[in-house]
Amino acid sequence: GEDVEQSLFLSVREGDSSVINCTYTDSSSTYLYWYKQEPGAGLQLLTYIFSNMDMKQDQRLTVLLNKKDKHLSLRIADTQTGDSAIYFCADEGAGNYGGSQGNLIFGKGTKLSVKP
Amino acid sequence: DGGITQSPKYLFRKEGQNVTLSCEQNLNHDAMYWYRQDPGQGLRLIYYSQIVNDFQKGDIAEGYSVSREKKESFPLTVTSAQKNPTAFYLCASSIRGGSEQFFGPGTRLTVL
Repeated sequence: GEDVEQSLFLSVREGDSSVINCTYTDSSSTYLYWYKQEPGAGLQLLTYIFSNMDMKQDQRLTVLLNKKDKHLSLRIADTQTGDSAIYFCADEGAGNYGGSQGNLIFGKGTKLSVKP
Repeated sequence: DGGITQSPKYLFRKEGQNVTLSCEQNLNHDAMYWYRQDPGQGLRLIYYSQIVNDFQKGDIAEGYSVSREKKESFPLTVTSAQKNPTAFYLCASSIRGGSEQFFGPGTRLTVL
């Protein structure tokens, strides 16, 4: 079945850039998403990229998509302590539940720790 | 304010009791979802509904039930048949199936 893989942990120093990586298996994905989850809270949609784009920039966030390698990354510039959270990559899977279209497939999440 | 609400934030129940978690949205979204989150496991889909009066099982539906009688409401019942119900439960909605999902704040269920 379709799968989304992420490394589980990333630690950076405040002010450095963070790069969170994700690989996916579904070649028919239309959109790919990044969500942020702070402790004890729901998921917040950070950004998304359409599958025919290579890059999308939104303030401190840069999303890179390598469709050939099915690799997605999220770069956070000038990482702050407030960026400490779990980051989920999600792929818009196609027909993965009994023929229904497009439920999101989530990775297990990358826990970002920012050291002052 | 548009959004998704889940109540309560914390819920405690004795083993063997059924419990219902509430999820309401006023975003006029057609699709709604329930996920379970355990530490290190990411999100696992329990049930989803793409339209009123219709819902489908996700990956881990056993021991859970849902209803979708109104567009804005998608309650989840955790039954006594669920072997390990203690977890963080997240509800989400989207304009249609497959579009970006918006999440509620979650309910942490602890079964004693």
